Amino acid sequence: AQSVTQLDSQVPVFEEAPVELRCNYSSSVSVYLFWYVQYPNQGLQLLLKYLSGSTLVKGINGFEAEFNKSQTSFHLRKPSVHISDTAEYFCAVSLFGNEKLTFGTGTRLTIIP
Amino acid sequence: DVKVTQSSRYLVKRTGEKVFLECVQDMDHENMFWYRQDPGLGLRLIYFSYDVKMKEKGDIPEGYSVSREKKERFSLILESASTNQTSMYLCASRDSGYEQYFGPGTRLTVT
Repeated sequence: AQSVTQLDSQVPVFEEAPVELRCNYSSSVSVYLFWYVQYPNQGLQLLLKYLSGSTLVKGINGFEAEFNKSQTSFHLRKPSVHISDTAEYFCAVSLFGNEKLTFGTGTRLTIIP
Repeated sequence: DVKVTQSSRYLVKRTGEKVFLECVQDMDHENMFWYRQDPGLGLRLIYFSYDVKMKEKGDIPEGYSVSREKKERFSLILESASTNQTSMYLCASRDSGYEQYFGPGTRLTVT
């Protein structure tokens, strides 16, 4: 079975500073990887996904993530954050060809003006 | 614009009541999911369905059942609500590119 670890439950960052949200997964087989964002009082929406191909994945709102198979990581990055990026971010993994998605516990990103 | 709708944003029920949470998607997706979201625990899969009348248990199915009579509608049923089922419930449907589309959620309080 797969699992996902988001080590940081809360990350405060100054506006216009860079940010990295960490995600590690465990699986013995090939995986698909996802980052979702949840703005206050809303459902989740997809930021980006890795299914295959280039290990550097670009998503919406200036976010990107890099799949590192040897370190089983899929960290999310943004070079300059804005107040509007305040939200909770979830990393998720599914096994290749499997319907089920396993989510991490989430990282709350707070932008300090 | 793709859309997943849930019947209620907020719901308050009493212990022992039967509770129905409805979810409708307009994208003709085959796969639909019910999750519950609790602080510090992330999202946990309750049930999912990969076709009409087909369902599979997720990670925490105890105390829940589901119904999918039409492709666009997936219902979550709490047979006898308990206080430990107070939570945020999220429905999602999935496209062929493995992206899940979420509804706005139903915050259920059981008193």
